Amino acid sequence: DADVTQTPRNRITKTGKRIMLECSQTKGHDRMYWYRQDPGLGLRLIYYSFDVKDINKGEISDGYSVSRQAQAKFSLSLESAIPNQTALYFCATSDWGDSNQPQHFGDGTRLSIL
Amino acid sequence: AQSVTQLGSHVSVSEGALVLLRCNYSSSVPPYLFWYVQYPNQGLQLLLKYTSAATLVKGINGFEAEFKKSETSFHLTKPSAHMSDAAEYFCAVSAYNQGGKLIFGQGTELSVKP
Repeated sequence: DADVTQTPRNRITKTGKRIMLECSQTKGHDRMYWYRQDPGLGLRLIYYSFDVKDINKGEISDGYSVSRQAQAKFSLSLESAIPNQTALYFCATSDWGDSNQPQHFGDGTRLSIL
Repeated sequence: AQSVTQLGSHVSVSEGALVLLRCNYSSSVPPYLFWYVQYPNQGLQLLLKYTSAATLVKGINGFEAEFKKSETSFHLTKPSAHMSDAAEYFCAVSAYNQGGKLIFGQGTELSVKP
């Protein structure tokens, strides 16, 4: 089984719908992250969480919200989806410690908003 | 502020040829630097990381990178390309005071011709 699991893997939906992307991990890591990937732009950080009670905005948080339900679960929501939120979304985790800890990624959720 | 620039969005090499993927960074504090690889329909996997120990870092699958502070570079190399190296490669930077947040470059897609 994968250490970082994202569901769903693919989703097509309509403008204005509420969408939740889920991420769960079995690595026991405290830190979790949500990124979006767009062609030619690399990955950009949406939100990150250092523990259950610590949620922080990233570079591009507008239009998104998150919930850290437990150490192992971190969900990303789009309250009212719009077409320019069509992208590949990744969840990642890292261990506590200095910033030299590598991040471990899920396989991504491909989201299309029509 | 930190930033990463990857020169060349697409690089094509012949099987057996040298692979060179370029990465330049900007950081106001000593950086931690990472290279990740993304195979189709998968998440990112860590290739190697620089954390201020040796300037020449060896990673998985025969890749290595050299940290050059004077050139603010962290280029990725492999002496002999294999067909299985075809993927997208991302350079990323973090710093000790950034809580593990990564800033990614735009990515370089590597093609390997038979």
